[in-house]
Amino acid sequence: KAGVTQTPRYLIKTRGQQVTLSCSPISGHRSVSWYQQTPGQGLQFLFEYFSETQRNKGNFPGRFSGRQFSNSRSEMNVSTLELGDSALYLCASTLAGAKETQYFGPGTRLLVL
Amino acid sequence: AQSVAQPEDQVNVAEGNPLTVKCTYSVSGNPYLFWYVQYPNRGLQFLLKYITGDNLVKGSYGFEAEFNKSQTSFHLKKPSALVSDSALYFCAVRVAGGTYKYIFGTGTRLKVLA
Repeated sequence: KAGVTQTPRYLIKTRGQQVTLSCSPISGHRSVSWYQQTPGQGLQFLFEYFSETQRNKGNFPGRFSGRQFSNSRSEMNVSTLELGDSALYLCASTLAGAKETQYFGPGTRLLVL
Repeated sequence: AQSVAQPEDQVNVAEGNPLTVKCTYSVSGNPYLFWYVQYPNRGLQFLLKYITGDNLVKGSYGFEAEFNKSQTSFHLKKPSALVSDSALYFCAVRVAGGTYKYIFGTGTRLKVLA
């Protein structure tokens, strides 16, 4: 079974631009979560989608948004990029159910100049 | 508030020695506990999890973890460390019947010295 895939792997943007990141979950997984990882803040939860609905949300500004499609693929969008948005963005997928393991993709490294 | 604590930012251990990476949690309800490892510029890889049953859980690469309900801990252990075990380790908890949200610790960097 293929793992979680994320595209693109690397991205360079300038302040004020917007960016869209994509995540394809493991086949059969209906839940997709997004995390931001930075050296200073560690791993921070952005949001989780399950069956095309946002089920959980972290404490990020409205510039960060996401969606999930009927095939469980998910996209994350960041508008009006700031320097502090430079980070590794990780996507993770899981089957339904709290006992299930979350499996992570390799991440998208975003650099904002 | 529910939380996970990894009290050590970094753990150094000599190759061949046993290693322990500590994790404690605070949740209301029955916890499901997970350990992940992250190598440089990679995503997190699942190591092991505790759901129910035997308090000693065995996982990938020779790692194991012991669930201690009274101490609300889930420490990661390995009897004999390898240099290749050097990485960043994350503990996470999910609560049964909760919001399905994973709560991650801040991570512990493990350095195994040759």
